[in-house]
Amino acid sequence: KQEVTQIPAALSVPEGENLVLNCSFTDSAIYNLQWFRQDPGKGLTSLLLIQSSQREQTSGRLNASLDKSSGRSTLYIAASQPGDSATYLCAVNVSYGQNFVFGPGTRLSVLP
Amino acid sequence: SQTIHQWPATLVQPVGSPLSLECTVEGTSNPNLYWYRQAAGRGLQLLFYSVGIGQISSEVPQNLSASRPQDRQFILSSKKLLLSDSGFYLCALLKGPGSSPYFGPGTRLTVL
Repeated sequence: KQEVTQIPAALSVPEGENLVLNCSFTDSAIYNLQWFRQDPGKGLTSLLLIQSSQREQTSGRLNASLDKSSGRSTLYIAASQPGDSATYLCAVNVSYGQNFVFGPGTRLSVLP
Repeated sequence: SQTIHQWPATLVQPVGSPLSLECTVEGTSNPNLYWYRQAAGRGLQLLFYSVGIGQISSEVPQNLSASRPQDRQFILSSKKLLLSDSGFYLCALLKGPGSSPYFGPGTRLTVL
């Protein structure tokens, strides 16, 4: 059974810092991995999607890497801003069209 | 682009009462549709997914049920709510292989 964990559970940093969020999954047989952002009381917004054959994806100040063999992904946020404050979730798709297994999330607070 | 509507946005119901949450989709056809629940302090849990009209797969046995009467309509129901049914319910769609799931705004359900 696929399990996804995220470290740390919560993170508070001053504005401008570069930071790394970690995601681990137990079964390397994944279709893809995604990082999402969730603001309080809101739905999820997709940030980056990495297919199983890819190593990383970049969008603006965000960079996500995938090491499928070791079951790890990292989300790197450069020059953090207060507007980055949210919960970040990673999810693995074990098979197309079926379940996305989500991690519990990392709650990020960027202080001005 | 696709849009997901969820109704109602918030709901407070007594234990033992029935439930009907609606998810409707615009801007796409024949998507895979998903119901997730996010309980307080916990990750997202997949409840049901559907690959087409009348086709429902259940991930977790419980007192909830789902139906897909039309291609762009996904309904979550219960005959008798439990306290443990409280949570944030998210509907999501997946358009095709390699795509990212798109989430609706969610319904906040409180069972008293």
